[in-house]
Amino acid sequence: SQQGEEDPQALSIQEGENATMNCSYKTSINNLQWYRQNSGRGLVHLILIRSNEREKHSGRLRVTLDTSKKSSSLLITASRAADTASYFCASQGGSEKLVFGKGTKLTVNP
Amino acid sequence: EPEVTQTPSHQVTQMGQEVILRCVPISNHLYFYWYRQILGQKVEFLVSFYNNEISEKSEIFDDQFSVERPDGSNFTLKIRSTKLEDSAMYFCASSEEGGGYTWVGYNEQFFGPGTRLTVL
Repeated sequence: SQQGEEDPQALSIQEGENATMNCSYKTSINNLQWYRQNSGRGLVHLILIRSNEREKHSGRLRVTLDTSKKSSSLLITASRAADTASYFCASQGGSEKLVFGKGTKLTVNP
Repeated sequence: EPEVTQTPSHQVTQMGQEVILRCVPISNHLYFYWYRQILGQKVEFLVSFYNNEISEKSEIFDDQFSVERPDGSNFTLKIRSTKLEDSAMYFCASSEEGGGYTWVGYNEQFFGPGTRLTVL
């Protein structure tokens, strides 16, 4: 089955630095989506990248996808304290369900 | 901006009781989902619903669970006889399209804020 796994599990950086989170999955996918979750709150959709795309940008977010390595990365540039949250990747293959990873807990220190 | 809403935000119930969690998906969306997240664990898929029927369900979604779209706006998850291990955050999600295409499908799923279910 597909399974997204992020690394690192936790990341602590200073405001203004870039944060990179990685995600791996096991089977072929149609797309991969990144979500953000503030502590105990809902999941906010950040970006979707399709299997035929290699890179996508949205504001300070940059997502890459390498289907040959079954991996994706999320880069947040010029991080802010408000970016502190958990970030999840979720892969989607030939069905409706999203398969989530364990997430990376990002802390951005002011 | 349209969003998925869920009620209640927190539900406390006794083991063995029935609970109904409610969701209002985004109005023009056709596909609806329930996921859950046990504290400290991954978000897990429970069920997807399209055209008034279940299109996919996970092993978690056993006979104790059911879903319904009772009217044109609400989407509900019912747990018939709650167990302690049902304690989790339950998320509803919706999307314009499904993901089961052979071509490169587009399925952005938008999640609600969740209902925290506590079974005592």
